[in-house]
Amino acid sequence: GNSVTQMEGPVTLSEEAFLTINCTYTATGYPSLFWYVQYPGEGLQLLLKATKADDKGSNKGFEATYRKETTSFHLEKGSVQVSDSAVYFCALSARNQFYFGTGTSLTVIP
Amino acid sequence: NAGVTQTPKFQVLKTGQSMTLQCAQDMNHNSMYWYRQDPGMGLRLIYYSASEGTTDKGEVPNGYNVSRLNKREFSLRLESAAPSQTSVYFCASRPEGGYSNQPQHFGDGTRLSIL
Repeated sequence: GNSVTQMEGPVTLSEEAFLTINCTYTATGYPSLFWYVQYPGEGLQLLLKATKADDKGSNKGFEATYRKETTSFHLEKGSVQVSDSAVYFCALSARNQFYFGTGTSLTVIP
Repeated sequence: NAGVTQTPKFQVLKTGQSMTLQCAQDMNHNSMYWYRQDPGMGLRLIYYSASEGTTDKGEVPNGYNVSRLNKREFSLRLESAAPSQTSVYFCASRPEGGYSNQPQHFGDGTRLSIL
């Protein structure tokens, strides 16, 4: 079946630190992969996506590379800001459904 | 741009009461989805509608019903609310289903408490 596993949080970093949030997936077929971000009291917003192996998605300084050989889609950012504090969800799209990880809460302290 | 609009934003119910959560999208999307979000469990799919006129069960459909009223609107109904249905409910839409690489677009959620 299809599933997504992402690292559990919460994650607390100092401003300007390097961020990695791990995500691995299990899927049949050729899924597309996504990272979403959720700010307090809001819905999920698309952060970035990759649609085939070796694609790199990027947005707002965040990056993730679709690695088919390791079935991974890890989220990275070189220098986090306080405004990046949010919950991050990894997701895959297969057939008519999306499959989400459980979310990783990130807090960035000044 | 309104995107996906959910109403109401907050609701408190008593056990056994019924209510309908409304969702409308103005992006001409074919597929629409209802999720619930609970602490530590991520998003779980309740029902989805791949296209107008069709609905299918997701991971946690028990206690819920849905109606795809037209292409724009997809409602979720709780016939007899239970405390276990206390959650945040999100509606989402997508241009098409299948193996499309298009993302889902989310509303801001309905925070539902059942006493």
